[in-house]
Amino acid sequence: QLQLQESGPGLVKPSETLSLTCTVSGGSISSSSYYWGWIRQPPGKGLEWIGSIYYSGSTYYNPSLKSRVTISVDTSKNQFSLKLSSVTAADTAVYYCARQPRSYGFDYWGQGTLVTVSS
Amino acid sequence: DIQMTQSPSSLSASVGDRVTITCRASQSISSYLNWYQQKPGKAPKLLIYAASSLQSGVPSRFSGSGSGTDFTLTISSLQPEDFATYYCQQSYSTPRTFGQGTRLEIK
Repeated sequence: QLQLQESGPGLVKPSETLSLTCTVSGGSISSSSYYWGWIRQPPGKGLEWIGSIYYSGSTYYNPSLKSRVTISVDTSKNQFSLKLSSVTAADTAVYYCARQPRSYGFDYWGQGTLVTVSS
Repeated sequence: DIQMTQSPSSLSASVGDRVTITCRASQSISSYLNWYQQKPGKAPKLLIYAASSLQSGVPSRFSGSGSGTDFTLTISSLQPEDFATYYCQQSYSTPRTFGQGTRLEIK
């Protein structure tokens, strides 16, 4: 059974960089059938797609965040990572990683991790 | 960006009711429409992909229809575990966008 698990600091100071890693188990991140994505959800609000990556390293980002986002992949560790720079309180959210079969929906999700931006 | 608009934003219903939630895209997305269920404190769960395909393991009381700009999610007979928030999402183009959600509450 495929599992995804987010990890990283739960508290980040304003203007600093948020860094999260998603570890994939029970399957290979190098499968040609899937992209791997990050989605976030501010407390009490809806879902926002941040960006996705293919195992080859090809990425695509939400233009609203593109200037601050970097997503990378480490196939040797079966992990992919998110970096979001210059964070503000508006970046406080639960961050999810998920698997994305090409043009279909996100079919496997991590449990999510709450990241709070505060000094 | 393609805007996804769900209606209603909230809905009260009883166990056994038939419920329909609507999602409208700001431009045609063919059948690249997915539906999710989210319960408090949990990750979203994929219910329907490609507008009408039932994700593996999802009960058959859930169904989806539509193409182009107008889509529906139908729950044929509400069960207690179905009270949750539902989101639509388009996978036609980037950025991937979600509807604002429909909160389904117990009447």
